[in-house]
Amino acid sequence: QKEVEQNSGPLSVPEGAIASLNCTYSDRGSQSFFWYRQYSGKSPELIMSIYSNGDKEDGRFTAQLNKASQYVSLLIRDSQPSDSATYLCAVNSGTYKYIFGTGTRLKVLA
Amino acid sequence: DTGVSQDPRHKITKRGQNVTFRCDPISEHNRLYWYRQTLGQGPEFLTYFQNEAQLEKSRLLSDRFSAERPKGSFSTLEIQRTEQGDSAMYLCASGRTDTQYFGPGTRLTVL
Repeated sequence: QKEVEQNSGPLSVPEGAIASLNCTYSDRGSQSFFWYRQYSGKSPELIMSIYSNGDKEDGRFTAQLNKASQYVSLLIRDSQPSDSATYLCAVNSGTYKYIFGTGTRLKVLA
Repeated sequence: DTGVSQDPRHKITKRGQNVTFRCDPISEHNRLYWYRQTLGQGPEFLTYFQNEAQLEKSRLLSDRFSAERPKGSFSTLEIQRTEQGDSAMYLCASGRTDTQYFGPGTRLTVL
């Protein structure tokens, strides 16, 4: 059983739309949650981290966490073609080990 | 900050050979991680250093893999007796908190 699950996609959205990316995790003791963006052939780069239930906004990005449902999501408002990438969800359970999902490939259509 | 650097960027080797990769973290970052990533998968945790101490190592890491961070600065990852299944991107990340900054990776191809 995978510990962090993401739909692999691709998720296609038109330019200017809201992209919604979802992630579920199995360890109820998980404490910190991260979204990374990875362009093809490049290494992951951090977009946002979230630690408590609710929403956290940073520019066009909003992370949402629901620990009861073991669910974390990333919303990208006003999606741009440059947002086309793979988005990785990562979870930490309070140890030094981070578990990554397989990523969701996002395509923003111009 | 000059960013995390990794060397080499690409390595092609024959099955059975040993390879060593180097990671130079962002200066003053005491945390250093190694990951392996294959196509279509997320990064897979291999090991973690806090300063020079290796505090966690994945159970998936066989005895052929070893990592060091002798002075708490740069780190090396060695793979002995490489196998074709070792072909992957090897990523290093560093940080001072739980935020990780990834290097460009070393792509290993085992023939």
